[in-house]
Amino acid sequence: QSALTQPASVSGSPGQSIAISCTGTSSDVGAYNYVSWYQQHPGKAPKLMIYEVSYRPSGVSNRFSGSKSGNTASLTISGLQAEDEADYYCSSYTISSTLVFGTGTKVTVL
Amino acid sequence: QVQLVQSGAEVKKPGASVKVSCKASGYTFIYSTMHWVRQAPGQRLEWMGWINAGNGNTKYSQNFQGRVTISRDTSATTVYMELSGLRSEDTAVYYCAKDRVGAGRGFDYWGQGTLVTVSS
Repeated sequence: QSALTQPASVSGSPGQSIAISCTGTSSDVGAYNYVSWYQQHPGKAPKLMIYEVSYRPSGVSNRFSGSKSGNTASLTISGLQAEDEADYYCSSYTISSTLVFGTGTKVTVL
Repeated sequence: QVQLVQSGAEVKKPGASVKVSCKASGYTFIYSTMHWVRQAPGQRLEWMGWINAGNGNTKYSQNFQGRVTISRDTSATTVYMELSGLRSEDTAVYYCAKDRVGAGRGFDYWGQGTLVTVSS
């Protein structure tokens, strides 16, 4: 199972909006609405930010939103803040009943 | 509150096996699915497999087929991940993660991670 493809890095200034893409295939991202997004700060465990494409867990800022079109999912962070600087990973359930993570994106706040 | 507490760091020689535990509390253990995810230094997250804590059914990534075994002890509300045939590339932090509702629909709680170092 190949990893989902994400841009290696995305940057933006405070207050701006950025988007991170996550491209898979019809066997994973395109097959189900079971795409999740995780935020990971250095040395910490990942944190769930979005589940089932576009749902936010309780406690996650509404500045984070998710969407999907075909085999590509996206995470948008609006009103970028310094604390958003972290690594972000997407994941998807697959038709083989397995999971696959993305290659990861480093978000830098300029 | 939900807690996943993992066992401590391990140092192993190439060819050996390692078994990492993940003690769960704060929710009904048998109604959950638990996953194992690893992260080599400076690398991406990599999914290893899952176990249905209720019936013990498992599913593994093809990348680890034959080398990884995930098990659980319902009385101890603990999940285990055993990796055999260790090589240097298996040096990583290993995480357990609880699935929100199953089918990989989001891992809402994570363990603190266990560093496994493989070195001769």
